[in-house]
Amino acid sequence: DGGITQSPKYLFRKEGQNVTLSCEQNLNHDAMYWYRQDPGQGLRLIYYSQIVNDFQKGDIAEGYSVSREKKESFPLTVTSAQKNPTAFYLCASSRQGAQGPGTEQFFGPGTRLTVL
Amino acid sequence: QKEVEQDPGPLSVPEGAIVSLNCTYSNSAFQYFMWYRQYSRKGPELLMYTYSSGNKEDGRFTAQVDKSSKYISLFIRDSQPSDSATYLCAMRMYSGGGADGLTFGKGTHLIIQP
Repeated sequence: DGGITQSPKYLFRKEGQNVTLSCEQNLNHDAMYWYRQDPGQGLRLIYYSQIVNDFQKGDIAEGYSVSREKKESFPLTVTSAQKNPTAFYLCASSRQGAQGPGTEQFFGPGTRLTVL
Repeated sequence: QKEVEQDPGPLSVPEGAIVSLNCTYSNSAFQYFMWYRQYSRKGPELLMYTYSSGNKEDGRFTAQVDKSSKYISLFIRDSQPSDSATYLCAMRMYSGGGADGLTFGKGTHLIIQP
């Protein structure tokens, strides 16, 4: 089955700790994305990557870091500098290239992070 | 400027009714428009993808885009209780073939009453 997997599904962290969220895809997509969703809010872009070893900040990158060492993987680290990290985190991927059909973003099941 | 307005609801309708969900946006640079369905505690699922003004139909779903009014809609015909979910509109600008993130509305919580 092709798709996007995120782990863990639920994650609890103490204040002051860094934590890393996993995102893996086997869709052979070049581009990958991280979004954050808060209750009653739409998704907001944290980071995205168009190609291996390259990534760009989104609208709310402060307190987060990413790496893209493999095409299939795009882990997100929530650092202690993130002031309000409790949220639902969603990973997505898409094909690159010309705009239009075939470049839609598909989402994983999400990781719910709670800071205690 | 990236702003998308969407009424959060909840919108409650009886089973079988036609549902109309809407978003407005302010930035005319948005060129690509999507509707996602999200069940509670799940990832969003892509329903419709459009990039030109007019209508696009897929089964019980019709997406409508009016770029001159900066207004998009999703219509659901013969609504079912299983359609109860949050519906998110999303859009993005042309990025020359490169990747770019989506800008989302806050989502409309839809309830279909049996």
